[in-house]
Amino acid sequence: QKEVEQNSGPLSVPEGAIASLNCTYSDRGSQSFFWYRQYSGKSPELIMFIYSNGDKEDGRFTAQLNKASQYVSLLIRDSQPSDSATYLCAGPYSSASKIIFGSGTRLSIRP
Amino acid sequence: DADVTQTPRNRITKTGKRIMLECSQTKGHDRMYWYRQDPGLGLRLIYYSFDVKDINKGEISDGYSVSRQAQAKFSLSLESAIPNQTALYFCATSDLSGRSGGELFFGEGSRLTVL
Repeated sequence: QKEVEQNSGPLSVPEGAIASLNCTYSDRGSQSFFWYRQYSGKSPELIMFIYSNGDKEDGRFTAQLNKASQYVSLLIRDSQPSDSATYLCAGPYSSASKIIFGSGTRLSIRP
Repeated sequence: DADVTQTPRNRITKTGKRIMLECSQTKGHDRMYWYRQDPGLGLRLIYYSFDVKDINKGEISDGYSVSRQAQAKFSLSLESAIPNQTALYFCATSDLSGRSGGELFFGEGSRLTVL
């Protein structure tokens, strides 16, 4: 079992709708998680990080962490064509050591 | 200038050749990482280093070696390249004391093709 699992998609969402991306992890001791966005041919860039149970909102983005169920999700409200990219979740182990990525979910926002 | 610089950006080589990918950073971070990216597989960790004297294997270290020459430099070597090492390689740095406690800062990537 991979330490961080993601549905690779692709996920297609109409413009203006909510896009929901999910990730599960195996290490119960993991403390914090990150969501990165990667445009084709570019480097990943951080869009959200979360370390507490519950929700964290930043503009159109909401990250959700459920440590009991070992999943983390990212919601994108009012999806825009510019949100079309691959989204990668990543988490360190409890010792905040190596950072492991999921396989990424390719998101496409259709007009 | 980029904070995390990778060289070369593109390289085509032949099976059996030795290849070195170099990474240098001006962010002053202690932690450095090497990842490879293949279509549909996300980023897979090859090696990581927390300081000059600390180097650790990641998920897929077989066939690779690394050298941390200084706090700012972390090199990845393929001693004898093989075609399935064809991939996009990323170097990244992080600083746990930063705002997001572990955010990775990436170089622009090095595309390696092994024929």
